[in-house]
Amino acid sequence: GNSVTQMEGPVTLSEEAFLTINCTYTATGYPSLFWYVQYPGEGLQLLLKATKADDKGSNKGFEATYRKETTSFHLEKGSVQVSDSAVYFCALLIQGAQKLVFGQGTRLTINP
Amino acid sequence: EPEVTQTPSHQVTQMGQEVILRCVPISNHLYFYWYRQILGQKVEFLVSFYNNEISEKSEIFDDQFSVERPDGSNFTLKIRSTKLEDSAMYFCASIRWLNQPQHFGDGTRLSIL
Repeated sequence: GNSVTQMEGPVTLSEEAFLTINCTYTATGYPSLFWYVQYPGEGLQLLLKATKADDKGSNKGFEATYRKETTSFHLEKGSVQVSDSAVYFCALLIQGAQKLVFGQGTRLTINP
Repeated sequence: EPEVTQTPSHQVTQMGQEVILRCVPISNHLYFYWYRQILGQKVEFLVSFYNNEISEKSEIFDDQFSVERPDGSNFTLKIRSTKLEDSAMYFCASIRWLNQPQHFGDGTRLSIL
């Protein structure tokens, strides 16, 4: 089946620290991969995406590279800010399928 | 930028009552979805809808659930007889074409008492 596993949270960092949130997946087809972010009291917003192996998605200083050999799509940011505090969801979409499959979410808190 | 809008933001309902959650997808979008997130758990797919028909549904989406696009703008999720375990955040999403990233609303928090 199709599934996504994210690193356990919560994650607490100081401002300007380096961030990695691990995400690995299992897929029966050729998935597109996404990171969504949920700020407090808000809905899910697309952060970045990658549609094929070796693609790198990037947005707002965040990056993730689609690694087919390790079935991973780890989220990274070089220097986090307090405003990055949110819950981050890794997700996959099989080509031609209708539904997103989400990881369990990782709560990130950045302290000043 | 166009948004998916959901109403209400919070719905409190007695167990056994019917509830309707409303969504207005982005206006030129063609595919519509409902997901739910029970507190502390994963976001789970419920149903997808295209061309006035359900195109896929999960095992969660049983006979108590239904979806409808009653006019050209609204997309609703109805739960006929709510149970305590239906308490969750419900998200609506839409896309114009398949394989595009889905655009989500802010969600409706449903609390069943």
